[in-house]
Amino acid sequence: QLQLQESGPRLVKPSETLSLTCSVSGGSISSTTHHWGWARQPPGKGLEWIASIYYNGNTYYKPSLKSRVTISIDTSKSQFSLKMNSVTAADTAVYYCARENRSSLGDWGQGTLVTVSS
Amino acid sequence: QSALTQPASVSGSPGQSITISCTGTSSDVGRYEFVSWYQQHPGKVPKLIIYEVSERPSGVSNRFSGSKSGNTASLTISGLQAEDEADYYCCSHAENSAPYVIFGGGTKLTVL
Repeated sequence: QLQLQESGPRLVKPSETLSLTCSVSGGSISSTTHHWGWARQPPGKGLEWIASIYYNGNTYYKPSLKSRVTISIDTSKSQFSLKMNSVTAADTAVYYCARENRSSLGDWGQGTLVTVSS
Repeated sequence: QSALTQPASVSGSPGQSITISCTGTSSDVGRYEFVSWYQQHPGKVPKLIIYEVSERPSGVSNRFSGSKSGNTASLTISGLQAEDEADYYCCSHAENSAPYVIFGGGTKLTVL
């Protein structure tokens, strides 16, 4: 049974960098049939896809976030990570990591609420 | 890249069928067969219920079905049950010089 678990600071100050890691267990992060991605959901609002990465490091970003976001993968640790710089209150959201197959997100982490506040 | 367009809310009575639309463009829904749908109950993690327009993951009820025509995808739920009350999101592969994924704004389904 695949499991994904997000980890990282729950509180980030405005203008600083949000950093999250997703640990993958119960399946291979080096799968050639899946991508690994991040999505978020501001409180009371809808879902927003952020980025995804393939095991070989190929990356894909939401165009409007691309300038602030970096996704990376460490296959030796079975982890992938998200960094988002210059955060504002608008980046406050539940952040989910997920396994993707052909742009569908079939497996999700439990999500972690990240609050941007001073 | 604006979000895919979904109605904010739909409702139906138990046993009825409802359809949720998801309208995109020729750069996303209209071009690719990679449309998916998610069900999210309050405070819960989204759950994939339809992928590749009309395929159901193992374990998802056959009361859920998906289709697509042109730039609009649709999710139909037949034999509505109280437990179907949730938010539903569509999602599509898209490309504009580079590939990405785009969600709809979400639809709140109320079972009357």
